[in-house]
Amino acid sequence: EPEVTQTPSHQVTQMGQEVILRCVPISNHLYFYWYRQILGQKVEFLVSFYNNEISEKSEIFDDQFSVERPDGSNFTLKIRSTKLEDSAMYFCASSDASEKLFFGSGTQLSVL
Amino acid sequence: DAKTTQPPSMDCAEGRAANLPCNHSTISGNEYVYWYRQIHSQGPQYIIHGLKNNETNEMASLIITEDRKSSTLILPHATLRDTAVYYCIVKGASYGKLTFGQGTILTVHP
Repeated sequence: EPEVTQTPSHQVTQMGQEVILRCVPISNHLYFYWYRQILGQKVEFLVSFYNNEISEKSEIFDDQFSVERPDGSNFTLKIRSTKLEDSAMYFCASSDASEKLFFGSGTQLSVL
Repeated sequence: DAKTTQPPSMDCAEGRAANLPCNHSTISGNEYVYWYRQIHSQGPQYIIHGLKNNETNEMASLIITEDRKSSTLILPHATLRDTAVYYCIVKGASYGKLTFGQGTILTVHP
C-alpha cells in the first residue's frame, strides 16, 4: 500500500536555528498538509497546500513557517528560527480529491 | 466545523464488537462525519466517513442517526491491534482541514 514518508524521524536543534522537515507524499495525490502534535495534546492543523500554493493555514502557521514543493515529489516544512514551543511531532499528510488524508509516521522535533 | 463529544475511554474484549459513540448535535447539512484513529503516537489513520447514510468498509461500519446528531463507529471483531485513540471529526468546507478533539482511548484486552 502506498504511504507518506517523512524524514528525519527525529530532529534535535538549538533554539533559533532553522529546520526543514521533509515529506514524500503519495505519488498521485495533489493535496498536501502539515499537522503537529505537542506531547500529550491534540493533533493540530497547520497548513494545506494545493496547486503550488497555500490553501489554508492556521494561526499557528505564522511568518516563521513556510512550505514548499521544490521538485514535484517532496513537500517540505521550514521553521526559520525555532522556539522551545515548536517542539512537537510534525505529521505530513496527502490526499486526492476524496479528502481521505493519509498521514506519515511523523518527525519528532526537539528544540533545546 | 461542528463540535463533537466522545467518551474519554472505553474497553472492549478481543473478538467482540467495539461500539464507539460520538455526539455532534450542531452538525449542519453539508458537514460529513469522519473517523480517524491514532495508534501509539503514529500518524492518524483514516477509518471511514459518511454524510447521512450508514457506511461500511473493510475496517469498520459507521451508523449515523436519522437526525444526524450522533453516530457510532463499529469495529465488528476487535483485535489487540485496534487499541488506539479514535477521533470523531465533523468536517465542513475547508479542504483537508481536520479539527481533532481528545478522542476516545479504546483499549482492547485479551
